[in-house]
Order: sequence, then structure tokens, then C-alpha cells
Amino acid sequence: AQKITQTQPGMFVQEKEAVTLDCTYDTSDPSYGLFWYKQPSSGEMIFLIYQGSYDQQNATEGRYSLNFQKARKSANLVISASQLGDSAMYFCAHIGRGSTLGRLYFGRGTQLTVWP
Amino acid sequence: GAVVSQHPSRVICKSGTSVKIECRSLDFQATTMFWYRQFPKQSLMLMATSNEGSKATYEQGVEKDKFLINHASLTLSTLTVTSAHPEDSSFYICSAWTGQSTGELFFGEGSRLTVL
Repeated sequence: AQKITQTQPGMFVQEKEAVTLDCTYDTSDPSYGLFWYKQPSSGEMIFLIYQGSYDQQNATEGRYSLNFQKARKSANLVISASQLGDSAMYFCAHIGRGSTLGRLYFGRGTQLTVWP
Repeated sequence: GAVVSQHPSRVICKSGTSVKIECRSLDFQATTMFWYRQFPKQSLMLMATSNEGSKATYEQGVEKDKFLINHASLTLSTLTVTSAHPEDSSFYICSAWTGQSTGELFFGEGSRLTVL
């Protein structure tokens, strides 16, 4: 079974600073993917970034980058130059491509607060 | 714009009634959609995998007779909460693959159900 662990229930960062949100995972799937989603108070799930387990390079999307360390089974999200609008809940999720038929499993989330 | 549309966004109903939530994929066909449930300040929990033209696959502990899922076409999946009770009050979110190799999985806007 997949397990996603986000150990930081809350994080605070000053505007324009960088912040790292931690995520570790445990899976038996030989091939898998890792996602990060942002959920503002409105509830919608906003896709941020995706990393495939066999991708050679760490994923980047604008101010978001994923620090993927496969051997350590970690997939931390780095947000550079934080903005006030980044304040939201952030979820790490795992998707298996084998027997799990592509279902997504989420961590508990990290509430990020950006202060001016 | 959103690639997955969910309706209604909010619904309030009396205990004992049934509520239907629709999930539509826009601009793409989704043979598989997923339904999640999220309690306040908690993570998303996968309820079931909705398969076009066949029965849904439910996660362990999810009552299939309580949460009826129908995937009648390649662009529409519906979740019906039957005989709803206050404990069914929650945020329900659907998702679907676009089929792109980048692994993007898009979510609907979510439906907040309140059972009185």
C-alpha cells in the first residue's frame, strides 16, 4: 500500500523568501508519479507540478520545483519568491502505475502562510 | 479554463434525501474518473474509481450502496449520495486524466454537501 507523509502541518514564510514543503513516500510500485497540489480556502485543487519516478531531472514549473530524491523516497516542493497568494493548503500525492490502476493517494497536507 | 467541471458546487439537503453530483470532463474524453471525499481540514480520501461503461471500483470501507457511481459516457460521471445523513456532509471532489503523458490529473471544483 502507498503511504504519503507530510510532516509539517503548518509552515510560515515571509514574502519573497523561498520555502520547502516536505513529502516522503513509501511504495512498492516499480513505476510511479508524484504530484503537488495547492488547495486555497475555496476548495479547488490546483495542479502545481508532477515528477515521474524515472524522470532524469527534477521537475520545475515556474516558481515551483520538486527536489526529488528517489533513494530517500522524498519529493519536497520548493517555492521560490513566495507571494501572499501562495497561502494555502499544499498536498503531496502519489500515483501508482502498476496494480493501483492510477489512483491518487494524498498526504495530510501542509498549511502554508505567507506573511508580508 | 477548467478541464473538469463539477456541479453543483454547493448543496444543502434534508436527511433522508438523495443528492446527485455531476463530474464532466471538458475538451477530452475520460474513460476513468475518480471520486474523493474531504472532511474539514483533512486530506482527500479516494472513494472510488469510476469506469466508463462498467461498475465503479470502491475503496475499502466505502459503502457502494450509499455512494452510487455511474459513468454513463466518456465525459460524465455522477455520484449519488443516497439517503443522506448529517455524517455524509463533506466536500466531494472528482478528478480525471487528460490522457497526456505529462501525468496531469485535473480536479473538478468540488461540491460541498451539507445534510441537515
